[in-house]
Amino acid sequence: QVTLRESGPALVKPTQTLTLTCAFSGFSPSSSGIYVSWIRQPPGKALEWLARLDWDDDKYYDTSLRTRLTISRDTSKNQVVLSMTNMDPVDTATYYCARGRRKLDVWGKGTTVTVSS
Amino acid sequence: DIQMTQSPSSLSASVGDRVTIICRASQTISSYLNWYQQKPGKAPKLLIYDTSTLERGVPSRFSGSGSGTDFTLTINSLQPADFATYYCQQTYSSPWTFGQGTKVEIK
Repeated sequence: QVTLRESGPALVKPTQTLTLTCAFSGFSPSSSGIYVSWIRQPPGKALEWLARLDWDDDKYYDTSLRTRLTISRDTSKNQVVLSMTNMDPVDTATYYCARGRRKLDVWGKGTTVTVSS
Repeated sequence: DIQMTQSPSSLSASVGDRVTIICRASQTISSYLNWYQQKPGKAPKLLIYDTSTLERGVPSRFSGSGSGTDFTLTINSLQPADFATYYCQQTYSSPWTFGQGTKVEIK
């Protein structure tokens, strides 16, 4: 069974860097065409795609957030990590990771992050 | 970046109704259009990918069509479990983008 699970701090202060981890199991990231994306959703708002990592190490980012985002992998732990710098209250959201190349077919349950001093 | 625009933003419908949601891309995306269903407090669920292919386990009352820039999600005979928010997403080019969502409410 394919599963993804997000983890990270529930509360961060403004200007801090957020680091989130997506731990996955049940599939091999070395298989061709495997991508892991991060998506967020502010309270009551729409989904926003943030970044994607291809296991060939190609990386893609949202245009408006690309200067603040870094996506990386830990192959030994089957994890994908997302870092977002200079956090602001507007970044308060539920953050999801999801698997897929042309479709996001498996999602984690999400982790809620609040940005507040 | 490719902008995705859904209409309507919300709609009210009754059980048994046929519902249509439109998604328009700001430029051609071929058939790389996906639809997701999201219920409150839950992660989105993939319904349809590549415009019209039903994800495994999704009821056949859901269908998708379109090409280029204009796409449609249709729900035939709306069921109580279908009241949710629906999002389209393009995966034609990065950055991937979602529509703003369509909330389907009970009339």
